[in-house]
Formats: sequence, structure tokens, C-alpha cells
Amino acid sequence: GPKVLQIPSHQIIDMGQMVTLNCDPVSNHLYFYWYKQILGQQMEFLVNFYNGKVMEKSKLFKDQFSVERPDGSYFTLKIQPTALEDSAVYFCASSPQGNERLFFGHGTKLSVL
Amino acid sequence: AQSVTQPDARVTVSEGASLQLRCKYSYSGTPYLFWYVQYQRQGLQLLLKYYSGDPVVQGVNGFEAEFSKSDSSFHLRKASVHWSDSAVYFCAAGGSSNTDKVVFGTGTRLQVSP
Repeated sequence: GPKVLQIPSHQIIDMGQMVTLNCDPVSNHLYFYWYKQILGQQMEFLVNFYNGKVMEKSKLFKDQFSVERPDGSYFTLKIQPTALEDSAVYFCASSPQGNERLFFGHGTKLSVL
Repeated sequence: AQSVTQPDARVTVSEGASLQLRCKYSYSGTPYLFWYVQYQRQGLQLLLKYYSGDPVVQGVNGFEAEFSKSDSSFHLRKASVHWSDSAVYFCAAGGSSNTDKVVFGTGTRLQVSP
């Protein structure tokens, strides 16, 4: 079936550094999402993105976070600077219609030291 | 505010037994409802979805769920579980607009014992 690819699968960085998480969504999908999973369970909505714009963001989407998808390339989540509490698994998802099913990548585990 | 509640963090059942995982939602209007499954170290995969119509929806691998507007619930069921069903199950709700976010419950970790 359609696949969402996330690169890298694991990223280790020092607190205060910048990190960019990359997502290659399903090719004809128009809606994109980032979720944060903590302790292997709770899936927290961060942000959704359509037509080059953020549609909605949660309180977890701090000022240090930003998303973009320049020219149909990767959909990225950038954190600058990182904090210890940003350690989690970040899942990217895409959807053809927005309120249809979401297709998820396998996640990027971010470890902030 | 939209929210999804899964009251059971962990459920253990014996192989071959029936299963019900509970989900309650709080959403203005009638939401679109989903059940996803997450196997270890993987992304979430859709099991089934409800938009409208017959309140009982069938999904993959013998799963079904029943929508109840009066109870604000969308419980997941399976008649006979297999050891391979061990995973984390997420209930989710979204709105009817394309730009609405999808909100997930806290997940229920299912352990199927032999």
C-alpha cells in the first residue's frame, strides 16, 4: 500500500542544537501532519499542514517548532533549539482528503541529550 | 474541545477469547471515528473507520466497531483474538472538514496470552 517514509529513524543530538525531521509523504496526498508519541503510547497532535500553510497547531507546537514543504519535497519538522523534553518519537502522516484515513510513517526517534 | 478517552491502558485476554476495547469521544457534531493499530516499532495502521450510516462497521482481521451517538462511544470488538493481535490500539476522532485535526486517545495496550 501507499507508504510514508521518515528519515532518519533515530536522531541523537545535544540540547540546544537544531534538528530537522524529514518526511516523504504519499505522492498524491495533500494534507500532512506531525504527531509526538511519548513513552510508546500517547499520540499527541502537533500540527497539520495544507496548501503550504499550517491549518492548526497544538500547545505542544512551541515557538521553537516550524514546518514546511518547499516545492513538493520533504515535509519537514524543524526544532530550533531543542530541549530535553523534545525527546520522543515523532510520526509524520499524510492523507489524500484531510478527514480521510491517515497514512503514517514508522516514526523518527529523537533523543535530546 | 475535542477529546477521545480510552479508559483501559492495558487489557490482557487469552487467545481465542472475545475482546472489547472501549472508546468514548467528546466532539461537537458527529465526528468521523477511527480505530488504528500500532505494532511494535511501527507506524499506525487503520483498522476501520465510521463516517455515517450503519453504526456497526467491519474492519480488517475480523475487527468491528459500533458507533453509539447516545453513549458517545465507538467500542472495538473481536470475536476471537489471536496472539498476533497483541499491539497498541488507538481510537481517533476527526471532523467533517478536510482541515480538521484528528485527535487520538491514549491507546490501549492489548496482550494476548497463549
